[in-house]
Order: sequence, then C-alpha cells, then structure tokens
Amino acid sequence: AQTVTQSQPEMSVQEAETVTLSCTYDTSENNYYLFWYKQPPSRQMILVIRQEAYKQQNATENRFSVNFQKAAKSFSLKISDSQLGDTAMYFCAFMPWGGSEKLVFGKGTKLTVNP
Amino acid sequence: DAGVTQSPTHLIKTRGQQVTLRCSPKSGHDTVSWYQQALGQGPQFIFQYYEEEERQRGNFPDRFSGHQFPNYSSELNVNALLLGDSALYLCASSQTGFGEKLFFGSGTQLSVL
Repeated sequence: AQTVTQSQPEMSVQEAETVTLSCTYDTSENNYYLFWYKQPPSRQMILVIRQEAYKQQNATENRFSVNFQKAAKSFSLKISDSQLGDTAMYFCAFMPWGGSEKLVFGKGTKLTVNP
Repeated sequence: DAGVTQSPTHLIKTRGQQVTLRCSPKSGHDTVSWYQQALGQGPQFIFQYYEEEERQRGNFPDRFSGHQFPNYSSELNVNALLLGDSALYLCASSQTGFGEKLFFGSGTQLSVL
C-alpha cells in the first residue's frame, strides 16, 4: 500500500519570501504521478502542480516548482514570491500510473503567508 | 463550464439517520470518485464509479454506498450514521484514461449530532 507523509503540520512565511513544503512517499510502483493540491477556506481542492515519475525534469508552474527525488521518494514544493493568497492547506498526493485512478493524500501542511 | 458541482453544501443529521449526497461531474468527464476528509486530515478515497458501476473501493464499510446515473452524475449514500461520519465529502471527476487530470468539487460538509 502506498503512503504519503507530510512532516510539517504548519508553516509560515513572510510575503514575497520563498518557502518549501516537504513530502515523502512510499511505494513499490515504478510509474506514478505526484501532486500538490491547495485547499483554501473555500474547501475546494485546487491542483497546484503535477509530476510524472518517469520525467526527470522537475515540474514548474509560475511561482511553484517541485524538487522530485525518485530514489529518495521525496517530493517537495517550493513557493517563490509568496503571496497572501497562498495561505491555505497544502496536500501532497500520490496516484499509481494506469488502472487505479485513486489519490492517496498526506495529512497536509497549513501554510500562512504573513504581510 | 460549471466544473464539478456538489449538493448540498452543508448538512446536519442525527445518529442512525441516512444521508444522500449528490455530485455532477465536469462536462466531458465520465468517472466520479468520492473522498472523505475528516477534520485536520487529508482526504481518503471511498469509491469510484464508471459506466454506472463501482470500479474500486477504499477501506469503508458497506454503510457507504453509491450510484452513478446515465448522465454520469453520482450519489453517495451513508446509512446508520455515526458521529465519526462527520466530515467534508469531496467529489472528483475525470475522464477515463486521464485519471491524473482530476477536478474536485467544493464538497458537502456533513455534521452528525
């Protein structure tokens, strides 16, 4: 069974600064997807970034980038130039490649961006 | 495009009652998954529906059941409610074969008293 661990229950950062959220996972699969989702107070789960395990290049989406270390089973999220609107819960999630289209989530990290 | 819509947004029930939650998938999506998110936790997979059948199921008791209609919308039913069923229930939709492109609704907050 796959597991996802987020070791930082809460983090804070000053506006315009950079913050990194950590995530590790455990799986015996070779091909899979990894995700970071943002959940603001509105409760909707919003996709921040997605990484395919077969791709060596780290995914980036504007101010968001990941550091994917497949051998170490590590998948951290870096947020640059933090904005007040980035304040939210962030969840790391795993999905096996093909067949089982179900997500396994970590427990989340509460990020607060301070003015 | 309305995205994934869920109803109702909030619901209060008492122990032992039954509840039905509804989900309309994003246009073009044929697969619906349900997740339970307890307070302070990440979402947990309940089950997934495709072609009106349950395709896979997470570690949830038989009190949790579902249905998918020909228009791909879906219902989640919970019988004999327990206090521990209080949670945010999230619906997610995708197009089969593109499960990594999942879209979530805003959820139904269920409180069991």
